[in-house]
Amino acid sequence: KAGVTQTPRYLIKTRGQQVTLSCSPISGHRSVSWYQQTPGQGLQFLFEYFSETQRNKGNFPGRFSGRQFSNSRSEMNVSTLELGDSALYLCASSPRGDSTDTQYFGPGTRLTVL
Amino acid sequence: AQKVTQAQTEISVVEKEDVTLDCVYETRDTTYYLFWYKQPPSGELVFLIRRNSFDEQNEISGRYSWNFQKSTSSFNFTITASQVVDSAVYFCALRAGGATNKLIFGTGTLLAVQP
Repeated sequence: KAGVTQTPRYLIKTRGQQVTLSCSPISGHRSVSWYQQTPGQGLQFLFEYFSETQRNKGNFPGRFSGRQFSNSRSEMNVSTLELGDSALYLCASSPRGDSTDTQYFGPGTRLTVL
Repeated sequence: AQKVTQAQTEISVVEKEDVTLDCVYETRDTTYYLFWYKQPPSGELVFLIRRNSFDEQNEISGRYSWNFQKSTSSFNFTITASQVVDSAVYFCALRAGGATNKLIFGTGTLLAVQP
């Protein structure tokens, strides 16, 4: 099975712009979660989607949003980019989205905001 | 509140040495799950192990072993006879039970294995 794929792998934007990141989960997986990784804050949970519904959201401003499609693919959007949004954004998928699951991560999208 | 502490920021060892990475967690949940992930320089988090709170049996997988002790809220990871390819950042993570996939990560331990 192919693993979790994320596109693009690298992205450079300027302050004030918006960006959309894409995540394709492992085939058959229904749950997708997003995490932000920065040197200062470490790995932080952004949000989780299951069957096209946002089930949990981390402590991030409303500029961060996401969605999941019927084929379980997910996108996250960051509007009005700030320098502090520079980070590695990791997507993870799991089969059932329940407590017996294990999350498998993609390679990440490295976003640089200038 | 839930929290994961990895007190060791960086560890440097010489190849073939054994090394233990410490992980201490805090949770009020009676059902929870603990994980270890490896992050090589490429950035992808690679799943290593998952342990349920009701299963304190230690596990060994090749050169890797894990020691889960609820009494001390610890879930330590030992690499035996370390190799250069083990060099990476290792993360311990906690997930509560119930309908959530949210992982609480520790700050990670950078392991450098010198040849």
